[in-house]
Amino acid sequence: AQKVTQAQTEISVVEKEDVTLDCVYETRDTTYYLFWYKQPPSGELVFLIRRNSFDEQNEISGRYSWNFQKSTSSFNFTITASQVVDSAVYFCALLNQAGTALIFGKGTTLSVSS
Amino acid sequence: DVKVTQSSRYLVKRTGEKVFLECVQDMDHENMFWYRQDPGLGLRLIYFSYDVKMKEKGDIPEGYSVSREKKERFSLILESASTNQTSMYLCASSFGSTGGNQPQHFGDGTRLSIL
Repeated sequence: AQKVTQAQTEISVVEKEDVTLDCVYETRDTTYYLFWYKQPPSGELVFLIRRNSFDEQNEISGRYSWNFQKSTSSFNFTITASQVVDSAVYFCALLNQAGTALIFGKGTTLSVSS
Repeated sequence: DVKVTQSSRYLVKRTGEKVFLECVQDMDHENMFWYRQDPGLGLRLIYFSYDVKMKEKGDIPEGYSVSREKKERFSLILESASTNQTSMYLCASSFGSTGGNQPQHFGDGTRLSIL
């Protein structure tokens, strides 16, 4: 079965702190795709990154970075020097075996205070 | 930029009513999806469509149906609304045949309350 686990339900940090959001996935496929989405208070889900299982290079985009480790089935997301605007619910997702839809984790609510 | 537009941000309906939620995308995407989002449960797939007039059940299709008569429009229908269908509904679309691995782009969501 395929599954995505985001063990951290809520995280609270103070501005400028670094924070890591954990994502652990389960799949038997050798080829698979992982995604991160951000859902700010306004409600829309914003696509952040897609990673396929053959690309284990870590990715950095500004203050955001992603650490993909197949050995531990993890795809963790780090925000460096967090800002209040980073406050949102963050979802990790795995494309299902049929390649038809996303399996989402339950999300991690990040609150950044000034 | 991809634009996925849902017809209403907030909707209040009564038990037993037939409810239509509309979604339109402007990027000529083949695939469209309907999810519902509930606290503690995350997002769950209701239905998806990979072509006009084609539809596939997701994880929780009971009590719902869908319609895709045109490529850009995907409608979710609650045949006889019940209180347990009170939720946030999110529409998404993506490029590619039969789902594919392209990112899904989401609308702003419709918060539906059934009284």
